[in-house]
Amino acid sequence: ETGVTQTPRHLVMGMTNKKSLKCEQHLGHNAMYWYKQSAKKPLELMFVYNFKEQTENNSVPSRFSPECPNSSHLFLHLHTLQPEDSALYLCASSQASSGGDNEQFFGPGTRLTVL
Amino acid sequence: GQQLNQSPQSMFIQEGEDVSMNCTSSSIFNTWLWYKQDPGEGPVLLIALYKAGELTSNGRLTAQFGITRKDSFLNISASIPSDVGIYFCAGREFYGGSQGNLIFGKGTKLSVKP
Repeated sequence: ETGVTQTPRHLVMGMTNKKSLKCEQHLGHNAMYWYKQSAKKPLELMFVYNFKEQTENNSVPSRFSPECPNSSHLFLHLHTLQPEDSALYLCASSQASSGGDNEQFFGPGTRLTVL
Repeated sequence: GQQLNQSPQSMFIQEGEDVSMNCTSSSIFNTWLWYKQDPGEGPVLLIALYKAGELTSNGRLTAQFGITRKDSFLNISASIPSDVGIYFCAGREFYGGSQGNLIFGKGTKLSVKP
């Protein structure tokens, strides 16, 4: 138990569906992240939120839409995905400061399959 | 973009053996982290390193921040079956006053034969 929870743990969706992934951190951190993990590839950073403000969007297609309503919650809204978007989506949080953040703590991930 | 070279990609070892894996980068890092990921779970932080030359232990695990600041290694002594999993290194570059994002290696898959 790392203090970061994600729901659902597994999701199967069609290309025309709309779904959302949810992440919640109980660590009092002020930064949250979405990563995509595909087989045999390094973790890919998708989005970064510091103090609820989006500070990074690594050229992610618009069919992925993040939302951070407060420092404890992070969502990833999914719309008209493609089969190649099937992957493990990981949420992480950290305590960011003026010198930068340090350790990131990960949730268990949502295994997404797009049919 | 910056990539980390993590090796080996996979290891099959006998229970009780020691394990060593490493990560190298082409640029200077100011942070090295080592994570372990079990099947169906997210990565769990094992060890964090912040100073060149730093050697840190966590039980049977020992990691070092290379003197050149371009590499790090992780050792596991006397491996046991529950050490099975994928080990990731992660590092962060320092850009003259600000920090870059965390960059991950591709992982080392460890299998232990009882």
